[in-house]
Amino acid sequence: NAGVTQTPKFRILKIGQSMTLQCAQDMNHNYMYWYRQDPGMGLKLIYYSVGAGITDKGEVPNGYNVSRSTTEDFPLRLELAAPSQTSVYFCASSQQGNLGGNEQFFGPGTRLTVL
Amino acid sequence: AQSVTQLGSHVSVSEGALVLLRCNYSSSVPPYLFWYVQYPNQGLQLLLKYTSAATLVKGINDFEAEFKKSETSFHLTKPSAHMSDAAEYFCAVSMDTGRRALTFGSGTRLQVQP
Repeated sequence: NAGVTQTPKFRILKIGQSMTLQCAQDMNHNYMYWYRQDPGMGLKLIYYSVGAGITDKGEVPNGYNVSRSTTEDFPLRLELAAPSQTSVYFCASSQQGNLGGNEQFFGPGTRLTVL
Repeated sequence: AQSVTQLGSHVSVSEGALVLLRCNYSSSVPPYLFWYVQYPNQGLQLLLKYTSAATLVKGINDFEAEFKKSETSFHLTKPSAHMSDAAEYFCAVSMDTGRRALTFGSGTRLQVQP
C-alpha cells in the first residue's frame, strides 16, 4: 500500500493564481481531512469528508474548496492565492466506525509559498 | 469545544536522559488522545493513542504516556533519549462524534544532545 499520497511536494504561486493540491489514499478509508501547518503552530483543519460526496468545513476553510467524488481522492482547491495561504498542507485519512479514536494516516505534505 | 496545550515549545535533553513532554487537554466529554511525531520535512506518524482501554499507553520506540483524568494530562515519556528521537512532537485530541478530526497542540521540538 502507498498509504496517503500528495502532489506536488512543493509549489510557488503568485498572488491571485489558482491551483489544486492532490491527495489520494489506497486504504479504503471513509474519512479524509485537509490540515494546514503554519510555523510554530499545530495543524489546523481546513475541510473534511466522511465519505464520497460528503464534505464539510473545518476551522479555517476560507479561500479553499474541496470535492470528494471517489473514496480514494480528496483534492483541495485554492481559487485566488493569497500570501496568508503560505503554509504546509497535509492530507490525512482514517477509517471511522461507530466509535472514534482510530488513527489518522498522514501524507508527506505539500509546501506552498504564495508571493 | 476541545483544546490541547503543550507546555514548552522546545525541550533539550542529553542522550540517555529521560524525556518528558507535557500535554494538557480540555474536553467536555471523555476524549481520545494521541501523540504524533514529525521528523524534518515529513508527515506525521502516530506514536501512541489513548482510547479509554488503559490509562498507561505504550507506543513505538519505547515511548509511553499516562492518561490522568484528574489532572487532564497526557504527558509523553521515554526512559532514555536517543539521537534519533530529535523531532517535533504533537499532542492531539479527538471526539467520538461529528468530524472526528484532530485538534492539535502547538508542538514541542525535542533536541537530543550527544
